[in-house]
Amino acid sequence: AQKITQTQPGMFVQEKEAVTLDCTYDTSDPSYGLFWYKQPSSGEMIFLIYQGSYDQQNATEGRYSLNFQKARKSANLVISASQLGDSAMYFCAMIRNQGGKLIFGQGTELSVKP
Amino acid sequence: GAVVSQHPSRVICKSGTSVKIECRSLDFQATTMFWYRQFPKKSLMLMATSNEGSKATYEQGVEKDKFLINHASLTLSTLTVTSAHPEDSSFYICSALWTGGETQYFGPGTRLLVL
Repeated sequence: AQKITQTQPGMFVQEKEAVTLDCTYDTSDPSYGLFWYKQPSSGEMIFLIYQGSYDQQNATEGRYSLNFQKARKSANLVISASQLGDSAMYFCAMIRNQGGKLIFGQGTELSVKP
Repeated sequence: GAVVSQHPSRVICKSGTSVKIECRSLDFQATTMFWYRQFPKKSLMLMATSNEGSKATYEQGVEKDKFLINHASLTLSTLTVTSAHPEDSSFYICSALWTGGETQYFGPGTRLLVL
């Protein structure tokens, strides 16, 4: 069975510092995709970054980078130079190989302190 | 990124009434859309997969007669909560799968309150 685990219910970071949000996954499929989404208090889910299981390099999108360690089955999100607007819930997700269904982790609530 | 709209954003209804929520992909065609339910401070729970032109596929434990899904076009899926009860109060959010890709783009969500 496929599973996504986020072990940090809440995280604090000082503005302008970097923060790492942990995500581990479990799957027996050789081909899979990993996503990170941001959910502010408004509720919308904002796509941040994607990593394919066969991608050789770690994905990066602006201040977001994904630290993909395939052997350890981890896909941590690194946010550099945190901003107050980064305060939100962050969900790690994995796409199932059938029908494009996403499996979500429990989420991490990030609070950026001024 | 791709844009997905959801309407209404917020609805309050009386117990026993039905509520329809629309999910539209505004700038791309989506053969597959998904409906999720989310409780406060919890993760998203997939309710069903909506495929254009065919019946929706419901996840285990989700009542298909309670939550009617219609995907009549490549840009529109609707979720109807029939005979709503207070326990149906929740945040409902849809997503659209960009054809040819793996990324799901989400709508802004609908907060349903059943009195």
